[in-house]
Amino acid sequence: GQSLEQPSEVTAVEGAIVQINCTYQTSGFYGLSWYQQHDGGAPTFLSYNGLDGLEETGRFSSFLSRSDSYGYLLLQELQMKDSASYFCAVATNAGKSTFGDGTTLTVKP
Amino acid sequence: GAGVSQSPSNKVTEKGKDVELRCDPISGHTALYWYRQRLGQGLEFLIYFQGNSAPDKSGLPSDRFSAERTGESVSTLTIQRTQQEDSAVYLCASSLNGLNEQFFGPGTRLTVL
Repeated sequence: GQSLEQPSEVTAVEGAIVQINCTYQTSGFYGLSWYQQHDGGAPTFLSYNGLDGLEETGRFSSFLSRSDSYGYLLLQELQMKDSASYFCAVATNAGKSTFGDGTTLTVKP
Repeated sequence: GAGVSQSPSNKVTEKGKDVELRCDPISGHTALYWYRQRLGQGLEFLIYFQGNSAPDKSGLPSDRFSAERTGESVSTLTIQRTQQEDSAVYLCASSLNGLNEQFFGPGTRLTVL
């Protein structure tokens, strides 16, 4: 089966940089994705890594190391609206995805 | 174009009743997923449909849960003899081919009294 670990909570101030780590165990690994979910809303896709390295999308970047079964999401220039839950998700080559339990990010003024 | 839609948005039912939840995926998406999310928790995988392949039902928590999909279109998740622990938001997502990003519907909030 698959399992993922990510911190349950992270707190940071506006304008800061925060990193949310994700470690995983899976067979048939295909890629690692990140999703954002605001309270009461549906998850929305942020970023995807299929190969080792850094992917940058505006203020958000995501990193993957397949050999270490590790990835992270980096959020820069934090804004109050970034307060949300962030989920890493492992996809297998069969197309199934398993989500982590999520990290609640609180951005303070 | 239209995103993933789910109905109903809210469902309140009595313990022991059956409920049916509907998901309309994005047109052309071959992959469809159902997840359950309890309050303050992560997304719990339930079932995955990919094209005409046999669905991956490994996440269904009991035989009271079942799901069907018509071709590459609508899917229904049925919960029989609902229990209070079934209370959660049920999220549906679709993906172009199962290896791309997932697009989520707004969810159905199920409350079992």
